[in-house]
Amino acid sequence: IAGITQAPTSQILAAGRRMTLRCTQDMRHNAMYWYRQDLGLGLRLIHYSNTAGTTGKGEVPDGYSVSRANTDDFPLTLASAVPSQTSVYFCASGPGTSASADTQYFGPGTRLTVL
Amino acid sequence: GQNIDQPTEMTATEGAIVQINCTYQTSGFNGLFWYQQHAGEAPTFLSYNVLDGLEEKGRFSSFLSRSKGYSYLLLKELQMKDSASYLCAAMDSNYQLIWGAGTKLIIKP
Repeated sequence: IAGITQAPTSQILAAGRRMTLRCTQDMRHNAMYWYRQDLGLGLRLIHYSNTAGTTGKGEVPDGYSVSRANTDDFPLTLASAVPSQTSVYFCASGPGTSASADTQYFGPGTRLTVL
Repeated sequence: GQNIDQPTEMTATEGAIVQINCTYQTSGFNGLFWYQQHAGEAPTFLSYNVLDGLEEKGRFSSFLSRSKGYSYLLLKELQMKDSASYLCAAMDSNYQLIWGAGTKLIIKP
């Protein structure tokens, strides 16, 4: 693995189904983030993690949950998907914690369609 | 509230210079980032400014005026591969990034 990876690349999901988007980084970054990107809108932060074992809510956390059991992995779970969660999801990581102006490095994204 | 404004779309000619403007309003300020995003790809880091002035990095330069809440990205000697969206993001007092919707730059031969 080089950098930050996400899986799956794309997914079509029926409304009401549970879905976990995976994110793994091998840069030993402390901070990790989940964003969604919708046409005409800026990236919006869903959840973040300053370091392994801690998580926080971003701008649009409702309907999503995360966990950070170790440094490398930061999965995002949709407990019961709804059509408004159709979006492109980006995972990102950065070297520091929330208290630093770190550059964020992005994974390739997951394109999710909820029908 | 927190807000980032940048033009939706700009068009420029190959070999020319283009300036993409960004204005921001945030609760506190810990710097201004520019990212490039090609269609269907992830954003990639271009520049970071926290002090007033111009930072030059090859064909790309970024300027910041903290007193005016204003930044611009200057792209020189435009190439076709520069066709992409350019995202402006300001870091607030909680070190969270507030993102603009992006400026789609179209380069014509």
